[in-house]
Amino acid sequence: GENVEQHPSTLSVQEGDSAVIKCTYSDSASNYFPWYKQELGKGPQLIIDIRSNVGEKKDQRIAVTLNKTAKHFSLHITETQPEDSAVYFCAAHSIGGSYIPTFGRGTSLIVHP
Amino acid sequence: EAQVTQNPRYLITVTGKKLTVTCSQNMNHEYMSWYRQDPGLGLRQIYYSMNVEVTDKGDVPEGYKVSRKEKRNFPLILESPSPNQTSLYFCASSSTGLTEAFFGQGTRLTVV
Repeated sequence: GENVEQHPSTLSVQEGDSAVIKCTYSDSASNYFPWYKQELGKGPQLIIDIRSNVGEKKDQRIAVTLNKTAKHFSLHITETQPEDSAVYFCAAHSIGGSYIPTFGRGTSLIVHP
Repeated sequence: EAQVTQNPRYLITVTGKKLTVTCSQNMNHEYMSWYRQDPGLGLRQIYYSMNVEVTDKGDVPEGYKVSRKEKRNFPLILESPSPNQTSLYFCASSSTGLTEAFFGQGTRLTVV
């Protein structure tokens, strides 16, 4: 089955800095890669996603890049703000299996004012 | 409002006492799944369902049961809960297997 590794587990930045979270996956049949943000006391919510026919996608301060050859994808947050503080999860969906996502272990992002 | 609703939000129970956590979605999604979230381990899939009467095991199914008799509901059943099932549980749904998952608010379960 699919295996997703996520790094770092904790990331601390100053407000205004950029933050980068990286994930690698093992199944070459994976072709959908969403990122979720989980705020305290809530369920995860999608913030951005990318499909395997695209190398990069941006949405305001958030961007995701995908390298299919190397089997890794990254979340980039620019001009971080305190409200970006949360746990972020990457996931990979494989068309070779059940389609149900495999999640990374999460990154706790702390943005200091 | 499109949503996934889990109940209860908090539950404390004793070892061996059967319990059910309900999950309902109003988006007519075909896919539903259950996850448990533990510190340092992220979200681990317990069971999933691709349609009515179709369920399958995820990564950590031991000690759990599910059923999918209607499209909107996907209850999680713990027949004989044990302390190692103390965790935060999430239900999720998606229209297909390759689209965004919508999560419920979570159920924090403590088994003593």
